[in-house]
Amino acid sequence: SYELTQPPSVSVSPGQTASITCSGDKVGDKYVCWYQQKPGQSPLLVIYQDDKRPSGIPERFSGSNSGNTATLTISGTQAIDEADYYCQAWDISTPWVFGGGTKLTVL
Amino acid sequence: EVQLVESGGGLVQPGGSLRLSCAASGFTLSSYWMHWVRQAPGKGLVWVSRINSDGSSTNYADSAKGRFTISRDIAKNTVYMQMNSLRAEDTAVYYCAREGEDNGNYYYYMDVWGKGTTVTVSS
Repeated sequence: SYELTQPPSVSVSPGQTASITCSGDKVGDKYVCWYQQKPGQSPLLVIYQDDKRPSGIPERFSGSNSGNTATLTISGTQAIDEADYYCQAWDISTPWVFGGGTKLTVL
Repeated sequence: EVQLVESGGGLVQPGGSLRLSCAASGFTLSSYWMHWVRQAPGKGLVWVSRINSDGSSTNYADSAKGRFTISRDIAKNTVYMQMNSLRAEDTAVYYCAREGEDNGNYYYYMDVWGKGTTVTVSS
């Protein structure tokens, strides 16, 4: 089965850049998306098709995907960005597979 | 406004059954693939099942195969998940989600999510 691996936690100071990685075998050959989930809320799509932002998502959110690693980058991180972030891709062996999630702390 | 509203969750004994519903508004199910995704308490997101836009194709996670059945009623614009032989490890919040599409092309992401319904399997 296909697996996506994320760091359990990432910390960043307000105003700095946060990078959250998502590792998987040849993940660069797949489309990756990212979801933000705040406590008690449902997931929110923030990046799709590797690097596209849905309407209403701030420009500080960006994505990239190459080789074995996809990355979500949040520039000028704000306190409101503190949340869990999940990557997700599609693989024929494990359709719609999610990473384990990364807790982003802004401190 | 595009919206998904889940219902049908509750407390059920091991071995029991539940049927979850997901009412869609602001769009028609006949144009979109739909998913169920679950999240156990304190854990991450796990994909459960998908149904395509015309209802002719379904997919299931290994954990759901043979026990869960996804279906939809176009007239009611509602997606269902029939869950049988429930186990303690099925305890989770179950989300309904819409597959995003771009001019009829699919890139395997979910662009609209409901608030979820809670399923607890316990004796």
